[in-house]
Amino acid sequence: EAGVAQSPRYKIIEKRQSVAFWCNPISGHATLYWYQQILGQGPKLLIQFQNNGVVDDSQLPKDRFSAERLKGVDSTLKIQPAKLEDSAVYLCASSSNRDGRNQPQHFGDGTRLSIL
Amino acid sequence: AQSVTQLDSQVPVFEEAPVELRCNYSSSVSVYLFWYVQYPNQGLQLLLKYLSGSTLVKGINGFEAEFNKSQTSFHLRKPSVHISDTAEYFCAVLNNFNKFYFGSGTKLNVKP
Repeated sequence: EAGVAQSPRYKIIEKRQSVAFWCNPISGHATLYWYQQILGQGPKLLIQFQNNGVVDDSQLPKDRFSAERLKGVDSTLKIQPAKLEDSAVYLCASSSNRDGRNQPQHFGDGTRLSIL
Repeated sequence: AQSVTQLDSQVPVFEEAPVELRCNYSSSVSVYLFWYVQYPNQGLQLLLKYLSGSTLVKGINGFEAEFNKSQTSFHLRKPSVHISDTAEYFCAVLNNFNKFYFGSGTKLNVKP
């Protein structure tokens, strides 16, 4: 099966600019996650979708970050305006659901964002 | 909230030596446990998982982990490591509210 696809792989922007990332999950996976991974740290969940509904966005900085999954398939994550501390790898993951429990996540290769 | 602690941020080891990467989690009922590996410039790849049943689980690349409920631990082991095992390893927990939590990672550095 095809894995989780993310684009772009790398992005360099200046602070206060806008940027968007795209993710296409594994076909049939209802749950989609966006993580922020700062260098030297573990992934931090930004937002979790179940189909096209938001399950958890408690750690999403909503003043500058937004995400959508309009048709319950692919998703975009946007930062506007970007700050220096947003430099990180943004990982997308997806998982299926069995008997009400989320199954192991499958990750894309991530987008490495550098803010100048 | 759930917490996942990886006690060692870096583990240096010589090739063909055994290794153990430690993971402890805060107590919770009905948790699922996972280990992921991350190679440079790549996403996380599932190594192994514990959902239920036997407390010793085997994964890919010769890794195994043991679920210890009384000690709330899920340590990862390999009897003989290779240079190619050099990577960062993350322990993760799925609690009974369907929320995933990741540890901060352990960098395994295998030396020739």
